[in-house]
Amino acid sequence: KAGVTQTPRYLIKTRGQQVTLSCSPISGHRSVSWYQQTPGQGLQFLFEYFSETQRNKGNFPGRFSGRQFSNSRSEMNVSTLELGDSALYLCASSGRSSYNSPLHFGNGTRLTVT
Amino acid sequence: AQTVTQSQPEMSVQEAETVTLSCTYDTSESDYYLFWYKQPPSRQMILVIRQEAYKQQNATENRFSVNFQKAAKSFSLKISDSQLGDAAMYFCASSPLTQGGSEKLVFGKGTKLTVNP
Repeated sequence: KAGVTQTPRYLIKTRGQQVTLSCSPISGHRSVSWYQQTPGQGLQFLFEYFSETQRNKGNFPGRFSGRQFSNSRSEMNVSTLELGDSALYLCASSGRSSYNSPLHFGNGTRLTVT
Repeated sequence: AQTVTQSQPEMSVQEAETVTLSCTYDTSESDYYLFWYKQPPSRQMILVIRQEAYKQQNATENRFSVNFQKAAKSFSLKISDSQLGDAAMYFCASSPLTQGGSEKLVFGKGTKLTVNP
């Protein structure tokens, strides 16, 4: 079974631009969540989607948004990029077949904002 | 609100020896899960072990075991017979217990484990 796939692996953008990151969950998984990882703030929860609906959202500005498609693939978008948005963005999927199904993470997208 | 604290930014261990990574947490939830994740240089977060807070018995997974002290809100990870492949960042995390609910994890800042040959 293929794991969680995130594309692209690396991305370089300039301030003010916008960016879209993609995540394909493990086949059959309907829950996708996103995390931002930085050296200063560590791992922080961005949002979670289940069956195309946002179930939970972290404490991030409105420039951060996401969506989930009917095939469970998810995208997150960051508009008007700032230098502080440079981070590793991790996507995770779970099957939700039981209580707190384990999260399966992808390898992340490394975003650099210059 | 939940918080997770890892007080050891870095740890080192000799190959084949045992090492314990510390984690404390704070939560207002009555039921919750605790996790240890490993992040090698490949960047992928890998679940090492998880503990349901309502279970008194400490979880074990092969060479990995936890010491869960609910009253003290402590959740340490013990790695026995350390191997070179265990070298990685280790993150402690907590999540409220939900059935098909939010998968939101709160992570600690991590402990970098070095394994010396």
